[in-house]
Amino acid sequence: DAKTTQPTSMDCAEGRAANLPCNHSTISGNEYVYWYRQIHSQGPQYIIHGLKNNETNEMASLIITEDRKSSTLILPHATLRDTAVYYCIVSSNNQGGKLIFGQGTELSVKP
Amino acid sequence: SQTIHQWPATLVQPVGSPLSLECTVEGTSNPNLYWYRQAAGRGLQLLFYSVGIGQISSEVPQNLSASRPQDRQFILSSKKLLLSDSGFYLCAWSEERGGISYNEQFFGPGTRLTVL
Repeated sequence: DAKTTQPTSMDCAEGRAANLPCNHSTISGNEYVYWYRQIHSQGPQYIIHGLKNNETNEMASLIITEDRKSSTLILPHATLRDTAVYYCIVSSNNQGGKLIFGQGTELSVKP
Repeated sequence: SQTIHQWPATLVQPVGSPLSLECTVEGTSNPNLYWYRQAAGRGLQLLFYSVGIGQISSEVPQNLSASRPQDRQFILSSKKLLLSDSGFYLCAWSEERGGISYNEQFFGPGTRLTVL
């Protein structure tokens, strides 16, 4: 799997947009970008994924650069409950569904 | 809808004792199943994954083993626990359709294991 690079931690004010960057410069053509988050003492939660087009769902938006070497997860209106570790993962669908989690970004949403 | 169960939620075991953690999934068939471990303050480490009954792939050599006796049951075991086996154990499942394994994984609530 291609490796990803994320900032260790970020702060965001409640109600503002949280923009979480991820670099994946060695991503292969058949690899998707996945985002998960883990709230303290819980299992990770799937957020969103994409291949090359921008994606949006009820939780977040995913912006992937044209060269696919980086992406940004956007939480449009962060709340205190969005405080969590956010993981950016790249993986293809022909590897038994394996995901390799890195250290992620610890997002703190502050009032 | 699909649900995933893990038990027990917490466990304290002495060094050298055996271990059995169970995970079951409801509401889907032929899922891919995964065991992860998360040591304190660290990321998730994939331990085992299974694409079908009796099919287990190990990602990390260790004194743990996994078995899948039924389609929606995944068991993590050890004959003799080590102090280093302490951690948060998470089971997850994902869907396979038409021979493609999809990477949206859904995690259980986890088991917090302390080995003393």
